Amino acid sequence: DAKTTQPNSMESNEEEPVHLPCNHSTISGTDYIHWYRQLPSQGPEYVIHGLTSNVNNRMASLAIAEDRKSSTLILHRATLRDAAVYYCILKSGSNSGYALNFGKGTSLLVTP
Amino acid sequence: EADIYQTPRYLVIGTGKKITLECSQTMGHDKMYWYQQDPGMELHLIHYSYGVNSTEKGDLSSESTVSRIRTEHFPLTLESARPSHTSQYLCASSLRGSAYEQYFGPGTRLTVT
Repeated sequence: DAKTTQPNSMESNEEEPVHLPCNHSTISGTDYIHWYRQLPSQGPEYVIHGLTSNVNNRMASLAIAEDRKSSTLILHRATLRDAAVYYCILKSGSNSGYALNFGKGTSLLVTP
Repeated sequence: EADIYQTPRYLVIGTGKKITLECSQTMGHDKMYWYQQDPGMELHLIHYSYGVNSTEKGDLSSESTVSRIRTEHFPLTLESARPSHTSQYLCASSLRGSAYEQYFGPGTRLTVT
């Protein structure tokens, strides 16, 4: 399985943009880049995903490097409710039934 | 809002009891999954299903079993609960393929005394 590398933790001030990086140098051509987050005491929540082009939705933006070896999740204005563990995951048919291979993720702390 | 449900949300039970954790989704998804997560630790896949009558073991060995008799229902059973089974169990579903997101239920927090 292709692996991802994320910083263990990041900190942001409320109402400021947050850029969460992810390295995936062994990504294959058919791997989709997915981001999920898990708020304390809750199940994971889908955030965004993409293949090659940058993507935007109501929650966040995903910037994918041209060589696809890295990506960045962008929260445009962090709120206290965005404090969570963010997971960058490569979704592939080679994983068990397209399951998600969660690593340790990045723990985002948002301070007022 | 994801239409995937898990019951019970919390369960405290004694050693040796048989338990079934329920998971249902109303989205018509073929793929369903069970993940296990100990407090402060990573999620690990323990079971998955491609569809009705299909079940497979995941990456993390588990003494639990699953069944998939109906598309919408994917229960997990522990025949004889032990304290080592204490954990959070998360159910998820998705359409087939890498381009589709997974939807997660709220989880069942199991404590075996």
